[in-house]
Amino acid sequence: SAVISQKPSRDICQRGTSLTIQCQVDSQVTMMFWYRQQPGQSLTLIATANQGSEATYESGFVIDKFPISRPNLTFSTLTVSNMSPEDSSIYLCSVAGTGGTEAFFGQGTRLTVV
Amino acid sequence: DQQVKQNSPSLSVQEGRISILNCDYTNSMFDYFLWYKKYPAEGPTFLISISSIKDKNEDGRFTVFLNKSAKHLSLHIVPSQPGDSAVYFCAASSSGGGADGLTFGKGTHLIIQP
Repeated sequence: SAVISQKPSRDICQRGTSLTIQCQVDSQVTMMFWYRQQPGQSLTLIATANQGSEATYESGFVIDKFPISRPNLTFSTLTVSNMSPEDSSIYLCSVAGTGGTEAFFGQGTRLTVV
Repeated sequence: DQQVKQNSPSLSVQEGRISILNCDYTNSMFDYFLWYKKYPAEGPTFLISISSIKDKNEDGRFTVFLNKSAKHLSLHIVPSQPGDSAVYFCAASSSGGGADGLTFGKGTHLIIQP
């Protein structure tokens, strides 16, 4: 299994500002995934990040709001831009296992926008 | 529209008894199903999975059953232990696993009573 570290683990931010979340994996992976879990809701896939290409966003998520970087095979960042209270969620980074079946998750970033 | 549904937000079970967590799905393209366990302030941890070509997969105290015709799966934990108290998420994939992102249910909070 992969070990995934996310920073920060939590933050409280003012509306209108931006926060960048970092995700570091202990092994090289082709694809990294970013999810959001709003309060009381399921985990929802935001985008898939491949190294060397633009991220692929799911319906309802756009690059201007959630820009993603993937500079190498072990690291990715997700930025939550121009935040509003509705962006208060847990944001999670994920990678697929070597068998391509299960997915592994970081501990998440709990974001509160005030 | 929720493609993966966990209709029980919470479930209370006595220690030593069987816990049964249920999950329904609507998308016929799903071909791989996973269960995750999540403790507060931690990321989801992979528990067990099942391919759509099987109807049962067992791993120690955990067994997952899949009924494709009913689009229903269940996770059985026996015997239930206090450490099993957590939120359990059902997830599904249409690409044979976690390599393309997963669709999650809202989770069931399992409480094991002493």
